[in-house]
Amino acid sequence: DTAVSQTPKYLVTQMGNDKSIKCEQNLGHDTMYWYKQDSKKFLKIMFSYNNKELIINETVPNRFSPKSPDKAHLNLHINSLELGDSAVYFCASSREGRASTDTQYFGPGTRLTVL
Amino acid sequence: AQKITQTQPGMFVQEKEAVTLDCTYDTSDQSYGLFWYKQPSSGEMIFLIYQGSYDEQNATEGRYSLNFQKARKSANLVISASQLGDSAMYFCAMRVWANQAGTALIFGKGTTLSVSS
Repeated sequence: DTAVSQTPKYLVTQMGNDKSIKCEQNLGHDTMYWYKQDSKKFLKIMFSYNNKELIINETVPNRFSPKSPDKAHLNLHINSLELGDSAVYFCASSREGRASTDTQYFGPGTRLTVL
Repeated sequence: AQKITQTQPGMFVQEKEAVTLDCTYDTSDQSYGLFWYKQPSSGEMIFLIYQGSYDEQNATEGRYSLNFQKARKSANLVISASQLGDSAMYFCAMRVWANQAGTALIFGKGTTLSVSS
């Protein structure tokens, strides 16, 4: 059974379109995250939700809107896609969001290409 | 500022040899966690090993061990008896407080490990 899953795995779209990425975890974790990995492979936190509540919102354009319908799901909607949004987006989850010991488990990633 | 530094963009090793991937970190927190992840060419991020700042023993997980030197602020990953399947990018990460509500990982730039036969 996949612990953290994401759909779709690949997403190719035109500039200006709106797209969504979905994430689900079956680990029973309370906290979920979105990370962005750029073309140089650098990973950076975008958002984090704890039990459906947004707790981390880094400096991300407001075209990006996360939504967590329940603690097992975290979606990412992106409006008006731009070329610079091309990246790999990773969803992750952890048992809770505060302890330094808490291990994050990552989904397989969604490779977004904006043409 | 909190930071993770990986100074080796690429490392090359032969099968069955041991290899050390360097990681230094900077934080003023007393309690922190250090992690290593593996990213093979298929793209997924695989958790390898964790070390807590208060852990007195170095962490080990199978062929992976973490050489934790707190005074030097280093957390090097040691892979013993390298295998071809170890060829991947390796990221060192640290759990930091993003705000008062929650923590997140900050990552180094990664080291690409190539294992040859």
